[in-house]
Amino acid sequence: NAGVMQNPRHLVRRRGQEARLRCSPMKGHSHVYWYRQLPEEGLKFMVYLQKENIIDESGMPKERFSAEFPKEGPSILRIQQVVRGDSAAYFCASRGLAGVYGNNSPLHFGNGTRLTVT
Amino acid sequence: AQSVTQLDSHVSVSEGTPVLLRCNYSSSYSPSLFWYVQHPNKGLQLLLKYTSAATLVKGINGFEAEFKKSETSFHLTKPSAHMSDAAEYFCVVSDRNQGGKLIFGQGTELSVKP
Repeated sequence: NAGVMQNPRHLVRRRGQEARLRCSPMKGHSHVYWYRQLPEEGLKFMVYLQKENIIDESGMPKERFSAEFPKEGPSILRIQQVVRGDSAAYFCASRGLAGVYGNNSPLHFGNGTRLTVT
Repeated sequence: AQSVTQLDSHVSVSEGTPVLLRCNYSSSYSPSLFWYVQHPNKGLQLLLKYTSAATLVKGINGFEAEFKKSETSFHLTKPSAHMSDAAEYFCVVSDRNQGGKLIFGQGTELSVKP
């Protein structure tokens, strides 16, 4: 039973390029969350998606960032025209439908994608 | 709004001595609380969770946490530290009104000296 898979593990981009981060949730999970961890900081929520829907994008920067979770395939976090301040670890997490713990069933995290902008 | 505050950014203990990582939460209703651990260059692993069942929660690797409503605390403890416990620890509250969105504390880095 594979966990949450994120790729690539490391991504280097020059300023102005695009970064695409992929997340395959755990099998059977239909809720995906993206978090960003800046150096020396905790994780900050970015966006919450269900299949084909963005549920909460209150943590997403208004420009250059977008996310999708199509009916088929992984969730994608896309950063256009990257800048040095985008350098961070980006974590994806997934959760299934309401289970024993309802909406508070724990999230399962991937190992993250470490983005470096040069 | 819900929030968590981890009172120490860094804790250092000797191997074999007790570990205490402090966390206070703010919530307008009974929260769901979690502790996650992050080893260097790794993802996050769930240590334990509190969801209004028993107030003393036992997790993996000998960790446990006690939910104290009167103190709005959810401190993480372990009787005897091991070298492999050195990592970053995050106290987390779940926002039930926002689809279970997790709100993370700033993290506490645990160092274990031989």
